[in-house]
Amino acid sequence: SQQGEEDPQALSIQEGENATMNCSYKTSINNLQWYRQNSGRGLVHLILIRSNEREKHSGRLRVTLDTSKKSSSLLITASRAADTASYFCASYTGRRALTFGSGTRLQVQP
Amino acid sequence: SQTIHQWPATLVQPVGSPLSLECTVEGTSNPNLYWYRQAAGRGLQLLFYSVGIGQISSEVPQNLSASRPQDRQFILSSKKLLLSDSGFYLCAWREQGARAEAFFGQGTRLTVV
Repeated sequence: SQQGEEDPQALSIQEGENATMNCSYKTSINNLQWYRQNSGRGLVHLILIRSNEREKHSGRLRVTLDTSKKSSSLLITASRAADTASYFCASYTGRRALTFGSGTRLQVQP
Repeated sequence: SQTIHQWPATLVQPVGSPLSLECTVEGTSNPNLYWYRQAAGRGLQLLFYSVGIGQISSEVPQNLSASRPQDRQFILSSKKLLLSDSGFYLCAWREQGARAEAFFGQGTRLTVV
């Protein structure tokens, strides 16, 4: 079963707009991570937020974590066409491997 | 710096044929290694992971097997492919111990015909 579930499944915005993706998870976590995948390629790590952190920034990325609601959000500000990709949240579920959600497909229109 | 190599990039195989996908990591020692499969437009399904040479954990019973003959080599195999084995296969690694980020190969697109 999926540990994380992203919402929405697909998102289409115009360049310059902000994109927000949400992730809900089921079990307690040590940290939550966000990855990006360009079509037909491997995943690239974007950002990691620890369970004792509430917000983290990296460039145009902002991640929040609410452990009471078991949810996280990824905000991409001032989006660019190059941000078009699928975005996944992931966490360790007690096993030694990352478990991924089903992802949000982001399309940024130029 | 660490790098991960996965090959081939694409593969078309007939039903019933064998499979061998290889993944190697450079620049690190004793990594945790993983095989994931991704169906079109979907998330990643964990297939196997390994914490050391010869140590393989299987997440989903299926037609595939994995082996780790060397510290930084991870192989995904099948004796007889099924149509349902088609998909995008991803190898990944991370440092032992810390629940930190994982690094992925570029993937293998397998089509079983």
